[in-house]
Amino acid sequence: EPEVTQTPSHQVTQMGQEVILRCVPISNHLYFYWYRQILGQKVEFLVSFYNNEISEKSEIFDDQFSVERPDGSNFTLKIRSTKLEDSAMYFCASSEAVAKGHEQFFGPGTRLTVL
Amino acid sequence: AQSVTQPDIHITVSEGASLELRCNYSYGATPYLFWYVQSPGQGLQLLLKYFSGDTLVQGIKGFEAEFKRSQSSFNLRKPSVHWSDAAEYFCAVGAKKAGTALIFGKGTTLSVSS
Repeated sequence: EPEVTQTPSHQVTQMGQEVILRCVPISNHLYFYWYRQILGQKVEFLVSFYNNEISEKSEIFDDQFSVERPDGSNFTLKIRSTKLEDSAMYFCASSEAVAKGHEQFFGPGTRLTVL
Repeated sequence: AQSVTQPDIHITVSEGASLELRCNYSYGATPYLFWYVQSPGQGLQLLLKYFSGDTLVQGIKGFEAEFKRSQSSFNLRKPSVHWSDAAEYFCAVGAKKAGTALIFGKGTTLSVSS
C-alpha cells in the first residue's frame, strides 16, 4: 500500500541553525501539506502546496518557514533559523484531487528537537 | 471561528466494553469529518471519514462514527474495545476543496484496562 515517508525520523539541532525536513508524498497525489504537533498539544496546520505554489498557510507559517518541491518526488520544509519553540513533531501529508474527496494521508513524522 | 472540540481528555475503558469518543465541531462550510488514531511514537492513521450520504460511517478496526448535523457532532464508537485500541484519537474537520487545512481537536487518550 502506498504511503507517505519522512526523513529523518528525529532531528536535533542548535537554536539558530537551519533545518530541512524531507517528505516523499504518495506518487499520484497532487496536494502536499505540513502540520506540526508540539508535545502534548493538538496537530496544527502549517501549509499546503499545489502545482509548485503555496495553496494555503497558517499564521504559524511565517518568513522563517519555506516549502519546496525540488524534484518529482520530494517535498521539503525548511526552517531558516530554528527557535526553541520550533521543537515539535512535524507531519507531512498528501492528498488526491477534489473529486475523490479531501482525505489526507499522513507520514510517520519527524521529531525536531531544538537545543 | 472554526474549531473542533473533544471534551474528554482521557478515557479508560475495560477490555470488551463499548466505547464512545465525543467530537463537536464549528465550521462555516459543509464539513468533511475525520477520525485519526495515533499510537505512541507513530504517525496519524485514518480510521474513518464522512464526506456525504449515509450519516453512519464504518471505518477500520471495527470503528464507526455517526454524523449528526443538528448537533454538530461526529462521535466515534466501537462496540467492544481491544487492548490494542489504546492510543490517542483525533477528530478533524476540513473543507471539500483539496489543499485546505484540516482542523484538529486536542485529542482523547484512550486507556484500556484488563
